[in-house]
Order: sequence, then C-alpha cells, then structure tokens
Amino acid sequence: DTAVSQTPKYLVTQMGNDKSIKCEQNLGHDTMYWYKQDSKKFLKIMFSYNNKELIINETVPNRFSPKSPDKAHLNLHINSLELGDSAVYFCASSPNTIGETQYFGPGTRLLVL
Amino acid sequence: GESVGLHLPTLSVQEGDNSIINCAYSNSASDYFIWYKQESGKGPQFIIDIRSNMDKRQGQRVTVLLNKTVKHLSLQIAATQPGDSAVYFCAERGSYQKVTFGIGTKLQVIP
Repeated sequence: DTAVSQTPKYLVTQMGNDKSIKCEQNLGHDTMYWYKQDSKKFLKIMFSYNNKELIINETVPNRFSPKSPDKAHLNLHINSLELGDSAVYFCASSPNTIGETQYFGPGTRLLVL
Repeated sequence: GESVGLHLPTLSVQEGDNSIINCAYSNSASDYFIWYKQESGKGPQFIIDIRSNMDKRQGQRVTVLLNKTVKHLSLQIAATQPGDSAVYFCAERGSYQKVTFGIGTKLQVIP
C-alpha cells in the first residue's frame, strides 16, 4: 500500500488555467506538507497543516490555496497558472510533531505551457 | 543547508569506496537534522537523523556526523553501491519547528 499518494503524477496545462493536485496519506499522521521542487532540485516548503489547521504558510502567491478536508488529505489548488509554476510538487506527511521525519509522495510533475 | 551556486553539486565515487557528503547549515538554533535520499523520478526518502545533543549517529552503512561549532553536517556512506546513486539532501529543523532543506548533492557511483 502506498503511504503517501498524489494525483495526478503528470499535469500539462495552459497558462491561465486552474488546476488541483490531490494528496492522501494512510499513515495516520497529523501533519502534512506541500513542497515545490524546481529544475535545480531545490526543495522549498509551501504549506504545512497539522490536524487540518494551517501551520506554515510560506511566501507563496495567493493563487495557491491548500485545502485539508480531513487530516489524511491535503489538496493544492492553483489558480491562473503561470509559466513559473512549472515544477515538481511533493506532498509529505509526518507524525505528531512538525519537523520530524517526513514521508514524501511520488511527486506531481506540472508543466505550464 | 546553504546555497553553493547555481548548479547541483556532484560527487563521483567508485563503487566500493566510501562517500562523504557535506552540508553546511545556517541556523545555530536548529535542534534536529535529517538526511534524505532522492532517486530519479521519486520523492525524497528518509535515511538517518540526528539531534543536536549528539555528534554522531550510525545506521546501516550510513553515519551522520554533526559539528555544531562550525554548523556542519556530513553523511558517510560505506562501501558505496550503484543503488546509492541519487540526490542527497540535508534538512534542519530551526525556529518554530520549520524544516529547511539544503541545496542537495548528486552522488554518482561509478561501477
């Protein structure tokens, strides 16, 4: 069974479109994250939720909006996609304490044309 | 971690040799450090961690060393194998439990 899963795995879309990426974890963890990894492999945290509550909200454009319907799911909605949004987006989860070992999903490769 | 330039640092190692991957961290208040391995096309995967009250921690074929004086972290891989080829990230947990990832080092194992 996949511990942290993301859908879709690949996403190719036009500039200006709105898209969502879904993430689910079956580890029973309380904390979930979204990361963006650019072409140089730099990993930057975007958001962190603990038990459905927003904990970390880095300097991310308002076009990005996370939603956590329950503690096993953290979805990422992106409005008005821009070329610079092209990247790999990783979802992760960790047990109770923020910053402890994180379990990453396989990533969603987003390409904005 | 710290930025070391525009290109992903690369370490090439002969199969069977030991590898040492270094990481300089920025926050002297960081209390917890983690090494992750990211294989091509996959998400990062936990390798080993160390708390700031320790200098050294060993796992299976891997050792992490922490030097708080110079804010330096290293990952040693013994008897490097082709399957160790990946990008390795150090991560530090600093203020407000925020985790920051380093820039990553690409390890290439030469058969």
